[in-house]
Amino acid sequence: DAKTTQPPSMDCAEGRAANLPCNHSTISGNEYVYWYRQIHSQGPQYIIHGLKNNETNEMASLIITEDRKSSTLILPHATLRDTAVYYCIAEAKAAGNKLTFGGGTRVLVKP
Amino acid sequence: EAGVAQSPRYKIIEKRQSVAFWCNPISGHATLYWYQQILGQGPKLLIQFQNNGVVDDSQLPKDRFSAERLKGVDSTLKIQPAKLEDSAVYLCASSFRDRVENIQYFGAGTRLSVL
Repeated sequence: DAKTTQPPSMDCAEGRAANLPCNHSTISGNEYVYWYRQIHSQGPQYIIHGLKNNETNEMASLIITEDRKSSTLILPHATLRDTAVYYCIAEAKAAGNKLTFGGGTRVLVKP
Repeated sequence: EAGVAQSPRYKIIEKRQSVAFWCNPISGHATLYWYQQILGQGPKLLIQFQNNGVVDDSQLPKDRFSAERLKGVDSTLKIQPAKLEDSAVYLCASSFRDRVENIQYFGAGTRLSVL
């Protein structure tokens, strides 16, 4: 499995952009990067995914470096409801597209 | 569109008792997953079904855990007998089969406490 490394926690000010880094230096060329988040007492929620190009949807933007060894999830205007654990996952094509969750980054949005 | 449904939301049992969890995936999703999430950790895959067949159960403790998806839709996960270390949230997820990407949609989970 392609392993990912994320900081265990980070704080963010409400209304500011939150930039969440992820390292996935062993990812293969055809393996996607996925981001999920998990708000307290809920199941993980899909946010966004990407392969090579930067991606944007209504929730967030995903910036993937050209060498694909790292990516950054951007929450453009963080709100208190964005407080959650954010998981960066590199899929494992050799294991049937398996998604392996690590410890994630605990993001606390402060007023 | 209805999401992944799980029941019950909470369950408290004593060790050595048995327990079962139920999952109804999103309509049309051929792939179904059961995860175990221990407090403070990320979810860990227990078993993956493709329709009613098992694709991956390498992380399932088969001496006490079992799962089935008889008609390729609903699924049940059973623990018999339960141990204290089985206290966790059990999450069900589903995804389409014939897609390049593997976007999984999760239910709210069942929180199990074993006393």
